[in-house]
Amino acid sequence: ETGVTQTPRHLVMGMTNKKSLKCEQHLGHNAMYWYKQSAKKPLELMFVYNFKEQTENNSVPSRFSPECPNSSHLFLHLHTLQPEDSALYLCASSQDVGQGAIGGNTIYFGEGSWLTVV
Amino acid sequence: AQKITQTQPGMFVQEKEAVTLDCTYDTSDPSYGLFWYKQPSSGEMIFLIYQGSYDQQNATEGRYSLNFQKARKSANLVISASQLGDSAMYFCAMREDLGSGGGADGLTFGKGTHLIIQP
Repeated sequence: ETGVTQTPRHLVMGMTNKKSLKCEQHLGHNAMYWYKQSAKKPLELMFVYNFKEQTENNSVPSRFSPECPNSSHLFLHLHTLQPEDSALYLCASSQDVGQGAIGGNTIYFGEGSWLTVV
Repeated sequence: AQKITQTQPGMFVQEKEAVTLDCTYDTSDPSYGLFWYKQPSSGEMIFLIYQGSYDQQNATEGRYSLNFQKARKSANLVISASQLGDSAMYFCAMREDLGSGGGADGLTFGKGTHLIIQP
């Protein structure tokens, strides 16, 4: 059992729908991430939150809206998505302690949410 | 330019044989970490092993070992005595040091190697 839990595991939504992906980590970490994995493409980092503050947004379209209410929970709100947004969305967390501490910064992933936009 | 290169899109290996999955990386940062993950068809990304750029010895975790050749910027994963359950996608990834500002940063992944273990 992973320490990072994602729900739902599978989601089918229409282009006009609004839905949310939820992630919860039970590892006491202070950083959380959203990654997108499309077919035949490397994993793409979407958002990074450190101590609830967003520190990175890799040019993600505004139809994806992250929310991090506390260090244990992370949401990805979805609205007016396109079929090309269909992918596996992976949440992850790590205990980040700043410079020179890469060794302690292993990122642990959840099982992912398979999203299909129709 | 790609930061992580995995040149083997797919590999077929006989059960119980050793497997080497290739990974080369590109960075100008002297401080970085290299990671390997396993992704079965279910989708979960499972952490396998970590190697720090300043580590003097190659990392080992059970049947997994990392052949780290810093001068060649190579971090190959070696799986000894392969098992049918090792069939999965394997990803090499890197984190560069965050610098004096600290804070969190994400991993950069390679495209992966699809490993199939045959009985």
